[in-house]
Amino acid sequence: NAGVTQTPKFRVLKTGQSMTLLCAQDMNHEYMYWYRQDPGMGLRLIHYSVGEGTTAKGEVPDGYNVSRLKKQNFLLGLESAAPSQTSVYFCASQDDGTGELFFGEGSRLTVL
Amino acid sequence: DQQVKQNSPSLSVQEGRISILNCDYTNSMFDYFLWYKKYPAEGPTFLISISSIKDKNEDGRFTVFLNKSAKHLSLHIVPSQPGDSAVYFCAATPGTYKYIFGTGTRLKVLA
Repeated sequence: NAGVTQTPKFRVLKTGQSMTLLCAQDMNHEYMYWYRQDPGMGLRLIHYSVGEGTTAKGEVPDGYNVSRLKKQNFLLGLESAAPSQTSVYFCASQDDGTGELFFGEGSRLTVL
Repeated sequence: DQQVKQNSPSLSVQEGRISILNCDYTNSMFDYFLWYKKYPAEGPTFLISISSIKDKNEDGRFTVFLNKSAKHLSLHIVPSQPGDSAVYFCAATPGTYKYIFGTGTRLKVLA
């Protein structure tokens, strides 16, 4: 049972480039989340989804777009990367019954 | 504005003693709370939760206390072990989803 898988694990971008982070879960969870972790800032919610075809903004959505075309996948896109988006990104899916969040291992993104 | 705050960035405790990690929140609509532990280069993992209808929940060495009037919760670890050294995050939600996390407290348990 893989749980939550994030790809890629590491990426270096130049300012202005675009990229997509993929999150896949095999637990049939409805709710999925994207967070970023920065020193001294904790985990901040970027976007989330309450089911296939739905997305909503979190605390820090600017500069990011998301899509949930399939229930098991939640994509996070950066259309024009900025150095301020250098961070570690975590995807999570939520157990509908217990409310527990299951996290991926993280994706470290550096924007030069 | 930070809705969930962990005002102690770090904490050091001797092995065998009690570790107390604190969390404050501002949104009175929050009614379900989680604690997560995170090791370096790994994703956070679930520790324990508490609903607003309770004021205490225990799971082995971990106990979470909730004081709704003070908008405060705390995580007690007794006895603390070196393997507990990690960053601890509290999280809150006003319903069943959209968890907001705190800034984290780095716990170091000294052998």
